[in-house]
Amino acid sequence: EAGVTQFPSHSVIEKGQTVTLRCDPISGHDNLYWYRRVMGKEIKFLLHFVKESKQDESGMPNNRFLAERTGGTYSTLKVQPAELEDSGVYFCASSYGGTAYNEQFFGPGTRLTVL
Amino acid sequence: DQQVKQNSPSLSVQEGRISILNCDYTNSMFDYFLWYKKYPAEGPTFLISISSIKDKNEDGRFTVFLNKSAKHLSLHIVPSQPGDSAVYFCAARAFSGGYNKLIFGAGTRLAVHP
Repeated sequence: EAGVTQFPSHSVIEKGQTVTLRCDPISGHDNLYWYRRVMGKEIKFLLHFVKESKQDESGMPNNRFLAERTGGTYSTLKVQPAELEDSGVYFCASSYGGTAYNEQFFGPGTRLTVL
Repeated sequence: DQQVKQNSPSLSVQEGRISILNCDYTNSMFDYFLWYKKYPAEGPTFLISISSIKDKNEDGRFTVFLNKSAKHLSLHIVPSQPGDSAVYFCAARAFSGGYNKLIFGAGTRLAVHP
């Protein structure tokens, strides 16, 4: 079974440009999470989808970040316009549905560098 | 404010010895704690967890201890092996509204040397 995949693995853009990150969760996982790790610090929660609905977006830094999960399958995270402080590694994770704790499986991450 | 703290950014241990990684938290409402292991260029992978109603959970060479009164948990690896060299993240679950947001620490880089 394929794990969580993310595309691209690396992205280098100029300040002010737009970047879109993609995450494909494990098939059948209703829950999809986005996290970010900046410069060797903690991995920070950004938001959580259940199917196509945003359940918790309390970690989104500001309105330059837009996440979507149309059809409840893959998700995209768009940063527009990108700023220097947006650089970091963006991780996507997915888990089964339900309210009990279900292990979150992480993708390899997308390393974003904003110059 | 960081709710989960790993105060040691790195740890070096000799092969065969015990590795002890520590984690402190501030939120008494956390109900589940987890350790994730991360190799370079890969995502974090789940290692072991413990419910807040327990004080110990063991899985092979890995044991997690929870001290709720001190708001402290630790991961013991014994014996340590070179393949254990990785970054270890402590995480806590904030079970809000029925959903499972994880709060992570900054990680501890473990190096196991011969």
